[in-house]
Amino acid sequence: NAGVTQTPKFRILKIGQSMTLQCTQDMNHNYMYWYRQDPGMGLKLIYYSVGAGITDKGEVPNGYNVSRSTTEDFPLRLELAAPSQTSVYFCASTNPGGRAGLQFFGPGTRLTVL
Amino acid sequence: EDQVTQSPEALRLQEGESSSLNCSYTVSGLRGLFWYRQDPGKGPEFLFTLYSAGEEKEKERLKATLTKKESFLHITAPKPEDSATYLCAVQEDGGEGGSEKLVFGKGTKLTVNP
Repeated sequence: NAGVTQTPKFRILKIGQSMTLQCTQDMNHNYMYWYRQDPGMGLKLIYYSVGAGITDKGEVPNGYNVSRSTTEDFPLRLELAAPSQTSVYFCASTNPGGRAGLQFFGPGTRLTVL
Repeated sequence: EDQVTQSPEALRLQEGESSSLNCSYTVSGLRGLFWYRQDPGKGPEFLFTLYSAGEEKEKERLKATLTKKESFLHITAPKPEDSATYLCAVQEDGGEGGSEKLVFGKGTKLTVNP
């Protein structure tokens, strides 16, 4: 199993550009999450999904959009990129049943907006 | 007010010098507390889950404990390869189904010098 994979690993965007961060998991997990991690600030939840077709906002959703058309994929869309979106983005997945905290993380995407 | 507070922010130890990291939380009902390890440039990796006060889990040189208000990650005779950022996260009790989300602390950066 590859686990959780994310692409790209690195990206530099100009202000106002858009992009999609890809996340795929091969563990047949129902729950998937997008976090951002800023230096010294821990992980902040952007969006999450409990199954295909179901998404919900986390703590910091502004400026982002998600979709979940399959169990495996959970892409994160940035529209009109801003310098405040410079961060490292992590995707994670898990299965429910009382152990939703045992999340498996991808390797991250480092995004810089200039 | 942060729901999860970790201390210290950074800790430097000599190889073999035992110490503890602290994670205090203020959620009204705890479903689970989780410890993760994060190496530079990588995604967090799951270490332990604790569910009830008094519970302890061990793995090699690490032991995690839980009280009603905080958790400790004890590191016994650490080695340089234990250097990493250690993240604590709580899953709040959301009723029968539980909460699907984790709230992370900001982490403790541990450096173990040879």
